[in-house]
Amino acid sequence: AQSVTQPDIHITVSEGASLELRCNYSYGATPYLFWYVQSPGQGLQLLLKYFSGDTLVQGIKGFEAEFKRSQSSFNLRKPSVHWSDAAEYFCAGGMDSSYKLIFGSGTRLLVRP
Amino acid sequence: DAMVIQNPRYQVTQFGKPVTLSCSQTLNHNVMYWYQQKSSQAPKLLFHYYDKDFNNEADTPDNFQSRRPNTSFCFLDIRSPGLGDAAMYLCATSREGGDTEAFFGQGTRLTVV
Repeated sequence: AQSVTQPDIHITVSEGASLELRCNYSYGATPYLFWYVQSPGQGLQLLLKYFSGDTLVQGIKGFEAEFKRSQSSFNLRKPSVHWSDAAEYFCAGGMDSSYKLIFGSGTRLLVRP
Repeated sequence: DAMVIQNPRYQVTQFGKPVTLSCSQTLNHNVMYWYQQKSSQAPKLLFHYYDKDFNNEADTPDNFQSRRPNTSFCFLDIRSPGLGDAAMYLCATSREGGDTEAFFGQGTRLTVV
């Protein structure tokens, strides 16, 4: 079955520190991969997406993600976290043959001053 | 400028009293989705429309219905809300499926009393 896994429920980092949020996928073929961010009580905003080509993808707000086929991973990174980055982050996968996005369970990011 | 607009942002309904949530889009996208998101969980797809074609997820309860009278509008009807239906309901649109980005509204928080 297709699935997207985010192993970390919560992550706490200090402001200015680097960040990596993990995402693993399980699909029959390489899916399209997305990272979304959700602030409390809000909808989801797309940070970045991977379809093909360059495995290092740049997104908005200084985020980037690296697709690693050998590890079935698509981890999100940011070199220096800002307090405003505190939010819930969702990794999601999609396929050509489907309109359905499969979301991971989310990682809540807390930022220490 | 808001591109996917959900009304209302907050909705309180009585147990068993039908309720309708609305979504409109200015993107002229073919696909509109309704997701249910319970507290601290990933969004779960209820159904989607590709143009006028309705696609129900297999595990979506019969209590949930949807209407799409035109390209711009889509409605979620909950015929007899139960306490377990309290959640955030997210509307999203995409130009196509699969590899195209989904744009989310800010959601409607439904409370059932």
